[in-house]
Amino acid sequence: AQSVTQPDIHITVSEGASLELRCNYSYGATPYLFWYVQSPGQGLQLLLKYFSGDTLVQGIKGFEAEFKRSQSSFNLRKPSVHWSDAAEYFCAVGARTNDYKLSFGAGTTVTVRA
Amino acid sequence: DAGITQSPRHKVTETGTPVTLRCHQTENHRYMYWYRQDPGHGLRLIHYSYGVKDTDKGEVSDGYSVSRSKTEDFLLTLESATSSQTSVYFCAISDGGGDNQPQHFGDGTRLSIL
Repeated sequence: AQSVTQPDIHITVSEGASLELRCNYSYGATPYLFWYVQSPGQGLQLLLKYFSGDTLVQGIKGFEAEFKRSQSSFNLRKPSVHWSDAAEYFCAVGARTNDYKLSFGAGTTVTVRA
Repeated sequence: DAGITQSPRHKVTETGTPVTLRCHQTENHRYMYWYRQDPGHGLRLIHYSYGVKDTDKGEVSDGYSVSRSKTEDFLLTLESATSSQTSVYFCAISDGGGDNQPQHFGDGTRLSIL
């Protein structure tokens, strides 16, 4: 079975500071990995995805994530956060052999202080 | 934005009544999914469809049924709603035809069962 753990429920960061959100997954085969962002009252927007190839992937809004197979991790980073980055972030894992069904982490809420 | 419309967007109903949520897509994607979102749980898969009349259960399918009679519509039915089914419900779609097709989400339906 596939599963995702996001160890941090809530992170507070100052505007302009760097941000890193942790994601650990469990899956027997090569996973597909995703980060989604959700603003209050909104749906989920895809930030970035990893299917294969380069383990450092670039996404929208200046985010990037690095796939580390040895650590079963897919951490999300941004060098300098903006107040508009305040939202809830979800890591998800899926697989082609599993009908692309996604398992989500519980989410990390990011608060940005001025 | 992916062409996904969920209806209704908000609904309040009473315990024991039947409820049907609709997801409509204009992308002609093969896969459609229903998730529920609850605090501390992220998103959990209820049911999904991999083609017209082809559906399967997710991890939290008890008390829910689905139908897909045409490519563009995926219905989620609560036969007899209970208070534990109060949640935000999201529909997602995916082409799934290649190894580079993430899921895209609708804006959600907020369902309250009193």
